Amino acid sequence: AQTVTQSQPEMSVQEAETVTLSCTYDTSESDYYLFWYKQPPSRQMILVIRQEAYKQQNATENRFSVNFQKAAKSFSLKISDSQLGDAAMYFCVQQGGSEKLVFGKGTKLTVNP
Amino acid sequence: DTGVSQNPRHKITKRGQNVTFRCDPISEHNRLYWYRQTLGQGPEFLTYFQNEAQLEKSRLLSDRFSAERPKGSFSTLEIQRTEQGDSAMYLCASSPRQEETQYFGPGTRLLVL
Repeated sequence: AQTVTQSQPEMSVQEAETVTLSCTYDTSESDYYLFWYKQPPSRQMILVIRQEAYKQQNATENRFSVNFQKAAKSFSLKISDSQLGDAAMYFCVQQGGSEKLVFGKGTKLTVNP
Repeated sequence: DTGVSQNPRHKITKRGQNVTFRCDPISEHNRLYWYRQTLGQGPEFLTYFQNEAQLEKSRLLSDRFSAERPKGSFSTLEIQRTEQGDSAMYLCASSPRQEETQYFGPGTRLLVL
């Protein structure tokens, strides 16, 4: 079975600072994908960043980057130069062996001005 | 390009009533997914379609739940004899093909009194 664990229910960061959200996962699949999705308050879920497990290079998307440690089954998200609009619930997500997405419980990020 | 749309956005019903939700995927996306998100949790997979074929169903999808995608375009999710435990946000997502990013709609929030 696939599982995703986010050990930080809440995090906060000062505007313009950097924050890292943690995620660990478990899977028996050799080929899988990992994602971070963002869900702002009362707004829809949007993709932040995607990582293919077969790629060694960490994915980056503007101010967002990941630290993918395959052997440790760790997939953390770093947000640089945090902005007020980054405030949201962040979900670490896994997909492998099936088309369904498996979500963690989420980390609520607060950005302080 | 319009995103995934869901209707209604909110539904309040009494226990025992039937409800139906609709999802319109992004045009030409042949894959459509349903998820359920309860308060404070990450979304959980319910079912998915490739065109009009329902290819996978979660154990969460009890006999009271049925989903259809009759012409391979929009999909409906019906809950019969609603229970208070069905109160949740029902999310729809679509993707153009296997292993591609899933794009989410705004969700339908159901409250069963």
